[in-house]
Amino acid sequence: DIQMTQSPSSLSASVGDRVTITCRASQYISSYLNWYQQKPGKAPKLLIYAASSLQSGVPSRFSGSGSGTDFILTISSLQAEDFATYYCQQSYNTPGTFGQGTKVEIK
Amino acid sequence: EVQLVQSGAEVRKPGESLKISCKGSGYNFTSYWIGWVRQMPGKGLEWMGIIYPSDSDTRYSPSFQGQVTISVDKSIRTAYLQWSSLKASDTAMYYCARRYGSGSPPDYWGQGTLVTVSS
Repeated sequence: DIQMTQSPSSLSASVGDRVTITCRASQYISSYLNWYQQKPGKAPKLLIYAASSLQSGVPSRFSGSGSGTDFILTISSLQAEDFATYYCQQSYNTPGTFGQGTKVEIK
Repeated sequence: EVQLVQSGAEVRKPGESLKISCKGSGYNFTSYWIGWVRQMPGKGLEWMGIIYPSDSDTRYSPSFQGQVTISVDKSIRTAYLQWSSLKASDTAMYYCARRYGSGSPPDYWGQGTLVTVSS
């Protein structure tokens, strides 16, 4: 199995802050990396696919970068509605595996 | 509008069987894989397995192989996740999600089905 490791596991930030979350794969996955946002009691929502492509309807303050084994999700200016848990997921092989999640909390 | 609608919450006793469902609408059902994801209370997301409705090709994550059965009835556009003998550790939220092809991300998700297993 490909292992996905996110860091940090949690972070505290203020509205307007720039936030970065990293995700590392245990082996090469090219650009087959997706990012999801999950709010309590809700299904995950796709934000970024193929490492850097913004899903339709997702605000442009979200961006993704990376390839190979190391990836980054950036929120350029954190908004109140962005406080949630974020997961990376590899789709290099089937079924894909998720990272353990990063909880973004209000400072 | 693409929708995946899951069956309602279930409460079962250990050792009982259960089958939950996920009905797709608003897209070509047989052209997209349907996967199942487990989320235990307060924990992260785990892929369980995935099925291709067109030919019922099914892949399981190693951790779930032999523990659950994934099936589909394409005539009614519905995928299923089934247990033959539930354990307390199966208590979780279960989501279905569709994926186009190899390498594609799961883009639409069901609302989730909460399964509670308790004596």
